[in-house]
Amino acid sequence: GDSVTQTKGPVTLSEGTSLTVNCSYETKQYPTLFWYVQYPGEGPQLLFKVPKANEKGSNRGFEATYDKGTTSFHLQKASVQESDSAVYYCVLGGRGSALGRLHFGAGTQLIVIP
Amino acid sequence: EAAVTQSPRNKVAVTGGKVTLSCNQTNNHNNMYWYRQDTGHGLRLIHYSYGAGSTEKGDIPDGYKASRPSQENFSLILELATPSQTSVYFCASGDARLYYAEQFFGPGTRLTVL
Repeated sequence: GDSVTQTKGPVTLSEGTSLTVNCSYETKQYPTLFWYVQYPGEGPQLLFKVPKANEKGSNRGFEATYDKGTTSFHLQKASVQESDSAVYYCVLGGRGSALGRLHFGAGTQLIVIP
Repeated sequence: EAAVTQSPRNKVAVTGGKVTLSCNQTNNHNNMYWYRQDTGHGLRLIHYSYGAGSTEKGDIPDGYKASRPSQENFSLILELATPSQTSVYFCASGDARLYYAEQFFGPGTRLTVL
């Protein structure tokens, strides 16, 4: 079945340093890949999505490339801020499915120290 | 702005009691979903619905029922609550007609079963 594996948290960084959260996926279909972010006390919200292989998505300085060859979708940011502290989820979605099913990774908590 | 709301936001229940969690969406989406969130597991799908009157089992449906009386409302019902159902529950809506549909999440309900 479909599955997602991502960096086990928590990840603690100092403000201004770079971030990489690794994400690998398994599927037999042609998925859309998402990164969701969840702040304390809130539900997950979409950070960005990439529906096609070999394309890059980005938002708020975060970016990830959908690499079909290595089945990876690593999240990167060049310089993190304290406000980036949150839980990040790598998510796999089926395309053209009536269910619109999403498969979530376990989440990676990011803690940014000022 | 599209919105998903949940009630109650916090709930304490006793073992063996009945619990109903409610969700309302103003997105006019056909699909709605119930997830639970536990540390180390990300979000796991409990039940989902394609529209009013339909409910389908997700990955972990045991001990839960769902009801979709209208396009806007989707409830999760625990007939006989158990301590293992202590968790944070999220409702989401999505338009699966879109080729790469994302889901929009509510703020969550924290349920404690004593």
